[in-house]
Amino acid sequence: EAGVAQSPRYKIIEKRQSVAFWCNPISGHATLYWYQQILGQGPKLLIQFQNNGVVDDSQLPKDRFSAERLKGVDSTLKIQPAKLEDSAVYLCASSHSHFGETQYFGPGTRLLVL
Amino acid sequence: GESVGLHLPTLSVQEGDNSIINCAYSNSASDYFIWYKQESGKGPQFIIDIRSNMDKRQGQRVTVLLNKTVKHLSLQIAATQPGDSAVYFCADYSGNTPLVFGKGTRLSVIA
Repeated sequence: EAGVAQSPRYKIIEKRQSVAFWCNPISGHATLYWYQQILGQGPKLLIQFQNNGVVDDSQLPKDRFSAERLKGVDSTLKIQPAKLEDSAVYLCASSHSHFGETQYFGPGTRLLVL
Repeated sequence: GESVGLHLPTLSVQEGDNSIINCAYSNSASDYFIWYKQESGKGPQFIIDIRSNMDKRQGQRVTVLLNKTVKHLSLQIAATQPGDSAVYFCADYSGNTPLVFGKGTRLSVIA
């Protein structure tokens, strides 16, 4: 079974630029999550999708971050404009169903904002 | 808000020894707990989970113990190997809330 795929693996941009990350979850997983992991900390949930609907985006900085999962499969996370403090690893995870199910993580995208 | 935290940020053990990584959680309503292992440059990898109706669960070389009275979770790794070197996170669910991760413990295995 293929795991969660993410691209790109690394991205370096200047502040105020835009950036987008892509995630393809494990086949058949209805729930998709985007996390932000700042160096030395645990992952923090940004947004959770159930199929193509948003379940929780309470911690997503909506003035600059957006995410979509239009067809209920793959997803994109966008930052526009980026700030220095957005430098982090952005992790995508998926699970078979809703809360209480084990989440499987992708390798992450490491973002550096200069 | 509620948080899940680990007692020690780093742990060094000799190869072959047993490792114990501890975690304290604050939400008494938490009913599902997971341990993840994260190697450098990789995403967190599921190790083992336990539900609140259990006190102990064993996997291959790993055991998770749950003490609901003192809200404490531990991960025991038997015969620690160099490949076990990583950051270990505990995480918990409570009802319909998102998974909450602690800051992690870095395990270093000394050959």
